[in-house]
Amino acid sequence: AQKITQTQPGMFVQEKEAVTLDCTYDTSDQSYGLFWYKQPSSGEMIFLIYQGSYDEQNATEGRYSLNFQKARKSANLVISASQLGDSAMYFCAMREGGNFGNEKLTFGTGTRLTIIP
Amino acid sequence: NAGVTQTPKFRVLKTGQSMTLLCAQDMNHEYMYWYRQDPGMGLRLIHYSVGEGTTAKGEVPDGYNVSRLKKQNFLLGLESAAPSQTSVYFCASRVDRVSYEQYFGPGTRLTVT
Repeated sequence: AQKITQTQPGMFVQEKEAVTLDCTYDTSDQSYGLFWYKQPSSGEMIFLIYQGSYDEQNATEGRYSLNFQKARKSANLVISASQLGDSAMYFCAMREGGNFGNEKLTFGTGTRLTIIP
Repeated sequence: NAGVTQTPKFRVLKTGQSMTLLCAQDMNHEYMYWYRQDPGMGLRLIHYSVGEGTTAKGEVPDGYNVSRLKKQNFLLGLESAAPSQTSVYFCASRVDRVSYEQYFGPGTRLTVT
């Protein structure tokens, strides 16, 4: 089974609208974490947000929020008031295992988001 | 503060040639990682290091070797390049177990013909 599933290969969203990027995960670990990274056309990977499995509140970072539904094993990224600069590839990733640098980080296949002016 | 830098940015190799990719970070991070990114796939971990002088295998280590002789540098070596190693290679670093965030370098695009 896929560890991280991103079912939307591509999305088109009107500027200023909110957008939700889907991510579901599969793990048997009790302690794990979910990340979202942005990869613009320039190629670098930019960290956006992190949610730990024991965090009770949904993580937020500026216009980004993570809708964490543990029972459904989903960790969707919500971008409010989208901007043209949000056009990029977005990757969901999951951390499993220890916290000594040896944890396994698994990435999804990504969603290409295009913001339409 | 340059963050994580990678050298070179682009490289073309012939099958069987060898090369070393250099990753450098100036943030005094303990942990460092090498990933590869192939079209239509997410990043996959090749090797990682939890401190100077230590390295360990990741998900796809075959055909690669690494060294971490200095804390700030993490080298990825290809001894005998194969076309299957054509990919974009990313280095990342993480401060230590205090924070899970990994900081990525800009990537190296490698083509093996």
